Amino acid sequence: QLQLQESGPGLVKPSETLSLTCTVSGGSISTNNYYWAWIRQPPGKGLEWIGNIHYSGLTYYIPSLESRVTMSVDTSKNQFSLQLSSVTAADTAVYFCARRDKSDHFDFWGQGTLVTVSS
Amino acid sequence: DIQMTQSPSSVSASVGDRVTITCRASQGITSWLAWYQQKPGKAPQLLIYAASSLQSGVPSRFSGSGSGTDFTLTISSLQPEDFATYYCQQAYTFPLTFGGGTKVEI
Repeated sequence: QLQLQESGPGLVKPSETLSLTCTVSGGSISTNNYYWAWIRQPPGKGLEWIGNIHYSGLTYYIPSLESRVTMSVDTSKNQFSLQLSSVTAADTAVYFCARRDKSDHFDFWGQGTLVTVSS
Repeated sequence: DIQMTQSPSSVSASVGDRVTITCRASQGITSWLAWYQQKPGKAPQLLIYAASSLQSGVPSRFSGSGSGTDFTLTISSLQPEDFATYYCQQAYTFPLTFGGGTKVEI
């Protein structure tokens, strides 16, 4: 069974860079049919897709975050990562990593990690 | 961006009730719609994709229907473990977007 696990700091200072890693187990990240996504959920609010990366390195970021987001993939470690720069309190959220299926839905999710932006 | 609007935002129901949740897209998305269930403190779980296809392992009391702009998720007989928040998501075009959620509570 595929499993995803997020890791990274739970507290980030304003204007700094949020960095998270998702480790995939039970399957290879290097598969053509899937993309690897980041989705966030501010406390008490709904879900927002941030973007995704293919194992080849191909990325898509949503326009509203594109200037601050970088995603990368490390196939040797079966991991992919998210960096979000110049964070503010509005970036406080639970961040989920997930697998995006070829039909563009998300069929496997990590448990999520809360990242708080505060000084 | 395609806006997804769910209604109601919350619904009170009892075990055994039939529950229907609606999701409306701001433009036509054919059948490119998914439904998720999220319990407090947990990640969302995929229930339905392609508007009406049941994800493997999901109980058959969950069903989805619709096409174009209007979609429904139906729980035929609500079980205690079904009390949760449900989200729709359009998979028609980028950026992929979610509805605001419907909380099913007692």
